[in-house]
Amino acid sequence: QQQVKQSPQSLIVQKGGISIINCAYENTAFDYFPWYQQFPGKGPALLIAIRPDVSEKKEGRFTISFNKSAKQFSLHIMDSQPGDSATYFCAAMTTDSWGKLQFGAGTQVVVTP
Amino acid sequence: NAGVTQTPKFQVLKTGQSMTLQCAQDMNHEYMSWYRQDPGMGLRLIHYSVGAGITDQGEVPNGYNVSRSTTEDFPLRLLSAAPSQTSVYFCASSYSPLEGLYNEQFFGPGTRLTVL
Repeated sequence: QQQVKQSPQSLIVQKGGISIINCAYENTAFDYFPWYQQFPGKGPALLIAIRPDVSEKKEGRFTISFNKSAKQFSLHIMDSQPGDSATYFCAAMTTDSWGKLQFGAGTQVVVTP
Repeated sequence: NAGVTQTPKFQVLKTGQSMTLQCAQDMNHEYMSWYRQDPGMGLRLIHYSVGAGITDQGEVPNGYNVSRSTTEDFPLRLLSAAPSQTSVYFCASSYSPLEGLYNEQFFGPGTRLTVL
């Protein structure tokens, strides 16, 4: 049973549009929420991460929104570019169990020209 | 720095065969982990290690063994391969949270394993 539920499974967005990926979790002990980006044939790479003491974190065109009471967090990709086409994974972890990431199932994002 | 390296990139086994997937990192990271990636299931933790000589089980440890004799290396052993172990395997490493550094997990390029 996945502890982190991710939606949608796939997403097609036009260049310049906004991609939104949502994740929900049950374990209130989670205190670190990273997003990973994976290109075909490569390992995942950290994109952006947030801790539950803030509600939003922005790095360039990528923003994490975090809702602690709803136990949900989301990734927004603004001004989506063809180079953003990849699979995105949300994840969660507790500091006490560092190294034990719980991943969502992944979202394949395709940005059309 | 080479980062996290994994060998081999591809492997085909027959049911019942054994093999070792190699993982090495040159970043002096204490934490190392093994994940498997299957379609629609994300990545699932197999085993992890918080330092040389210390390992523990993750979510899906059955059929796999690990050991950690050095900080750099963390091999994953398949004892008797089964078709259910067909997957892409990723090794990852990070600093310990106790070191107070930004604790990004760095992933290797993966090993694609097929068990016939």
